[in-house]
Amino acid sequence: GQNIDQPTEMTATEGAIVQINCTYQTSGFNGLFWYQQHAGEAPTFLSYNVLDGLEEKGRFSSFLSRSKGYSYLLLKELQMKDSASYLCAVRDAKGGGNKLTFGTGTQLKVEL
Amino acid sequence: DAGITQSPRHKVTETGTPVTLRCHQTENHRYMYWYRQDPGHGLRLIHYSYGVKDTDKGEVSDGYSVSRSKTEDFLLTLESATSSQTSVYFCAIGYTGGTSEVPGNTIYFGEGSWLTVV
Repeated sequence: GQNIDQPTEMTATEGAIVQINCTYQTSGFNGLFWYQQHAGEAPTFLSYNVLDGLEEKGRFSSFLSRSKGYSYLLLKELQMKDSASYLCAVRDAKGGGNKLTFGTGTQLKVEL
Repeated sequence: DAGITQSPRHKVTETGTPVTLRCHQTENHRYMYWYRQDPGHGLRLIHYSYGVKDTDKGEVSDGYSVSRSKTEDFLLTLESATSSQTSVYFCAIGYTGGTSEVPGNTIYFGEGSWLTVV
């Protein structure tokens, strides 16, 4: 099985940097994904890590440490539109089916 | 846009009635999924499909059945709706193509179906 933990809520200031952490325990690991979800909308793909290290995509970066079962999503130069829920998800290496297990999400509020 | 259409987008139904949600995709992807999303639980997998007539259960499959008779359509049926099945239901596909930044079979979601069981 899989267990994924992330903080429920975070608040940050426009223009600042915020780090959203995710820890996971899994019986098989084949990649970690981050999704963004605005209220009332579908989740959208943000980033993917399968090897240890940092992946950078513009204002968003994601880090993975497989030995520690740990990832974070780093958002720089925060904008009001970044207010959303951020979902950490782990892909299961076992059993086929390309399945993702999601954490409960971190609700980020960006304030002026 | 991964070419996913869900219908209906909103539905109110009575306890005990059967309900079918439809997911339609236009790009011939192999993997399709049904998730439900509830406060405090996040997204949970109900059923998934890895090809025509090939389906399997997810972690919250009780009370739900699925069918996939064509590549493009994945149907979710609530056999006898209960209030605990009031939720937002998301269909998703595993996008077959991949790049250096987006791995193969990355999951993309449809717009969601809001179901209320009264």
